[in-house]
Amino acid sequence: DIQMTQSPSSLSASVGDRVTISCRANESISHYLNWYQKKPGIPPKLLIYSTSSLHSGVPSRFSGSGSGTDFSLTINTLQPEDFATYYCQQSYNILFTFGGGTTVDIK
Amino acid sequence: QITLKESGPTLVKPTQTLTLTCTFSGFSLSTSGEGVGWIRQPPGEALEWLTTIYWDDDKRFSPSLRSRLTVTRDTSKDQVVLTMTNMDPADTATYYCAHKMRYSSSDPFDYWGQGTLVTVSS
Repeated sequence: DIQMTQSPSSLSASVGDRVTISCRANESISHYLNWYQKKPGIPPKLLIYSTSSLHSGVPSRFSGSGSGTDFSLTINTLQPEDFATYYCQQSYNILFTFGGGTTVDIK
Repeated sequence: QITLKESGPTLVKPTQTLTLTCTFSGFSLSTSGEGVGWIRQPPGEALEWLTTIYWDDDKRFSPSLRSRLTVTRDTSKDQVVLTMTNMDPADTATYYCAHKMRYSSSDPFDYWGQGTLVTVSS
């Protein structure tokens, strides 16, 4: 099974900061990597798909990069509404796995 | 506009079978490229993918839960039904159904239901 490891598991940041979250697969998943934002009581929201494609309606301060086994989500100029938990998800071989999540909270 | 909504019991006893229904609108699961997935999140834990059913009735399951899961579709009712056998308190979670984006090789879930909390307790 493909395992996804996110780091850090949590981080504290301030409004206006630039934040980068990492996601690593235990084997190559090519570009089959998506990112979601999750807030309590609200369904996950798709941010980035296929490693770097910004989903419709998602602010351009969100970006994704990577390939193979190492991926990252970057939030430029963190906004108050960005404090949330972020999950990566791989879909290689059409079997999906989510990472353990990274919680971004207010410093 | 695509919408999805989960329905089913909020409380099940250990060893019982859970049946959840996802009723959707805005797309047809008989259209090429479409798919519906089930994902759950135990309280305080990470998201976990369970299964996806595709327009051609292909189905994929989480390897760790495959023996306990069944997923079916009713294209006439625009519904997908998930069953999970032998429920355990560890299966207590919010269960989501979600629409798989068409025409994306990474099969992301772009629309989600509100989720339904299922508690497993005697």
